[in-house]
Amino acid sequence: EAQVTQNPRYLITVTGKKLTVTCSQNMNHEYMSWYRQDPGLGLRQIYYSMNVEVTDKGDVPEGYKVSRKEKRNFPLILESPSPNQTSLYFCASSLSTGHYEQYFGPGTRLTVT
Amino acid sequence: GENVEQHPSTLSVQEGDSAVIKCTYSDSASNYFPWYKQELGKRPQLIIDIRSNVGEKKDQRIAVTLNKTAKHFSLHITETQPEDSAVYFCAASTSGTYKYIFGTGTRLKVLA
Repeated sequence: EAQVTQNPRYLITVTGKKLTVTCSQNMNHEYMSWYRQDPGLGLRQIYYSMNVEVTDKGDVPEGYKVSRKEKRNFPLILESPSPNQTSLYFCASSLSTGHYEQYFGPGTRLTVT
Repeated sequence: GENVEQHPSTLSVQEGDSAVIKCTYSDSASNYFPWYKQELGKRPQLIIDIRSNVGEKKDQRIAVTLNKTAKHFSLHITETQPEDSAVYFCAASTSGTYKYIFGTGTRLKVLA
């Protein structure tokens, strides 16, 4: 089944404790992206990747890191999480660089206390 | 920076009526405008998109119109049904950067 998976789905952590949210897709998509969703603010793009080893900042990259060492995986790293990073995070992928439908993962709800 | 404004934030319509959601974008280089639907507790899913070389696109009860001069685009849903109740997001993107700017969302309620 073609899909985007994220792990974990729920995470409660404390300020300053490094964490990684994994994202994987099995559709051989070139483009992958991370978004955060907050009430009243919609979806905001954090980072995106147009291919292996090619990443770029979205609208709200501060406090986050990403890497794209393999085509299928695009982990999101929070080196020192803070309470303002409490949010619902979505990973998405699309076929290629160029404008194509983005397929979203199921979301990861992160709480930083 | 780039911005996409979306209105209204909430919209209630009677079943069978039409619903219109409007978005305005700031970057004149934007050339791709998708609309995503997010049901409660679910992930966003693409429902329709339009590229800047087209003024209107329809898919059954859903249509999107684009006015490049005014830098705004709209989603039109006709003959609304209860299953249309969801949050709808517009977005804009530009060839070359492929960065996406989303609107803040419209919660549509279709009253039976």
